[in-house]
Parts: sequence; structure tokens; C-alpha cells
Amino acid sequence: RKEVEQDPGPFNVPEGATVAFNCTYSNSASQSFFWYRQDCRKEPKLLMSVYSSGNEDGRFTAQLNRASQYISLLIRDSKLSDSATYLCVVFKAAGNKLTFGGGTRVLVKP
Amino acid sequence: NAGVTQTPKFQVLKTGQSMTLQCAQDMNHEYMSWYRQDPGMGLRLIHYSVGAGITDQGEVPNGYNVSRSTTEDFPLRLLSAAPSQTSVYFCASSYRGLAGNSYNEQFFGPGTRLTVL
Repeated sequence: RKEVEQDPGPFNVPEGATVAFNCTYSNSASQSFFWYRQDCRKEPKLLMSVYSSGNEDGRFTAQLNRASQYISLLIRDSKLSDSATYLCVVFKAAGNKLTFGGGTRVLVKP
Repeated sequence: NAGVTQTPKFQVLKTGQSMTLQCAQDMNHEYMSWYRQDPGMGLRLIHYSVGAGITDQGEVPNGYNVSRSTTEDFPLRLLSAAPSQTSVYFCASSYRGLAGNSYNEQFFGPGTRLTVL
């Protein structure tokens, strides 16, 4: 089983709609969680950190569920420019280990 | 600031050839790393460096060498290219890396797309 798993998608989303997807992690000692965004044939860029209490950044909401070992990302009022692959990233301080998920592809269509 | 730069953008090698992928950053970051990205696999850490003169292996180091003679540069050497090394390679840097139980945002270069025939 992979340490960090994501549904590869694609999630086809009408413009203006809401989309949400999860990322599961297998190591309960994982400490910090992040979402990175990667546009087609480009480098990943940090989208947002995921805090225990949940956090929002504009139209993006991230949640962490430690009991079930998953994080989620919700995008409201989807824009065409939100089309990208979203990478789940998990950091474990012991061993300084950073693990990337395979990514979830989101396609926002007019 | 140019951020993290990588050269070349594209490269085709024949099996057995060697080459060096270049990476440089102008942000005075201590921590630099090399990843490879394969379809559905996520990014996997090849080698990393916590400062000039210090390097260590990541998850998939076999077939690759690195050195860190300056803070700015972190080249990745393929010793004898194999088809299994066909991938997209990303260099990344961060201010303090992953030490001290804290995470620092990773800044990625634009990537090098390598094909080994």
C-alpha cells in the first residue's frame, strides 16, 4: 500500500461548481500536511497547508481527519484556471520524511 | 530573483551515456533536493543536501550522484543512463529544509524531461 494515496481522477467539474477530493495516508505518525498544485508540464507550487482545525484560503478549504487518516481539499465556485493536478504532501518529522501523493487531476469546463 | 533554475529542459540519452542535470537557486536556501516524477507515482526523492558540502541519499538514489560545492548549485549526475531513468526531474530548494521538526515550503525548478533510449 502506498504511503499517500490519491484518486488520480480526472474530476470533470462544470465552471462555478464545487469539487472535493481526498487524500489518505497510512502513517499515523505523519505530522504536517499540504496541498501543492501542479499545472500541466509545470513544476509543483504550494497551494496551502492543512491545519488540524481546517483552514480556508479564498475558494479553497482544506480539512484534516487524523482519526481516519485523510485530508481533503474543497474548491468552491470553480474557475477554468483551477484546472490542474493537486498533489497531497505529508511530512513526518521523525526521519524528516516528505511523501508526495500521485496527484488528483481536476478539469474545469465551461 | 530567478528562483530555482534547471538546465536542460529536455534531454535524450542513449543507454550507457552519462550526463549532468544542472540546478541553481539564488534565494540563499540551505536545503536543496532532487526528485523524479513518474506517472501515478508522485515525486520521489533522489538525493538532498542540507548545506554546502553535505549530501545524503533519498528514497531512490541508485544510479545518481550529487555534490554541493556551493550554496547555489546542486548538480545531479547520471552515471550510466538506463531506460528506467526516463522521467521528469525536479530540483527543489527551501530555506531550512526539513530539519528541526519543521517544514519549509519547497520551491521547485521548471523540470528536466529526460528520455533514455
